[in-house]
Amino acid sequence: EADIYQTPRYLVIGTGKKITLECSQTMGHDKMYWYQQDPGMELHLIHYSYGVNSTEKGDLSSESTVSRIRTEHFPLTLESARPSHTSQYLCASSESGDTNSPLHFGNGTRLTVT
Amino acid sequence: GDSVTQMEGPVTLSEEAFLTINCTYTATGYPSLFWYVQYPGEGLQLLLKATKADDKGSNKGFEATYRKETTSFHLEKGSVQVSDSAVYFCALSSWAGTALIFGKGTTLSVSS
Repeated sequence: EADIYQTPRYLVIGTGKKITLECSQTMGHDKMYWYQQDPGMELHLIHYSYGVNSTEKGDLSSESTVSRIRTEHFPLTLESARPSHTSQYLCASSESGDTNSPLHFGNGTRLTVT
Repeated sequence: GDSVTQMEGPVTLSEEAFLTINCTYTATGYPSLFWYVQYPGEGLQLLLKATKADDKGSNKGFEATYRKETTSFHLEKGSVQVSDSAVYFCALSSWAGTALIFGKGTTLSVSS
């Protein structure tokens, strides 16, 4: 049972539109992450946060932005969607202070930009 | 930098066959190692983990042993089922790491 929720599950949108992918977790985790998963299934870290008002860019350059105003909420925004943004986006969280802590993943948002 | 290399898939097996998915890693220090599984249409779930050399992680009939001498963490299962069809990811967490580093994933398809 998922304790981390992503909405929408699927989104088809036209080029140039602004979109926000929602991610919420009920576990009180400080660390949260966004991964982009390509069609070959490889995962790329695009953003992460260690807590409220903390956001950092990940290993893969992304035109998206994130915010962390509340512990439980970590939305991702694309100001102007392009076909190259078509992908699956996975949100995850983990407890802080322990590198052995596993990641808890949401079920993902599959974004298609036409 | 730290990295994880998995065997390429897809891996196609018949039900009750033996499964091995190879995973090797490069890391400084003493990383923790993980296997995650992704079923169709879902996010990733932790399958098992090992935090130090010679540890064996196990869950749902799957096992993997942390081998420091060969820098490996191969996933094994003695008898696969159709329900094991999924994508399997090997990952490591280094002490200085920002987040987990994932391999590219291996797709397993089991037929009855």
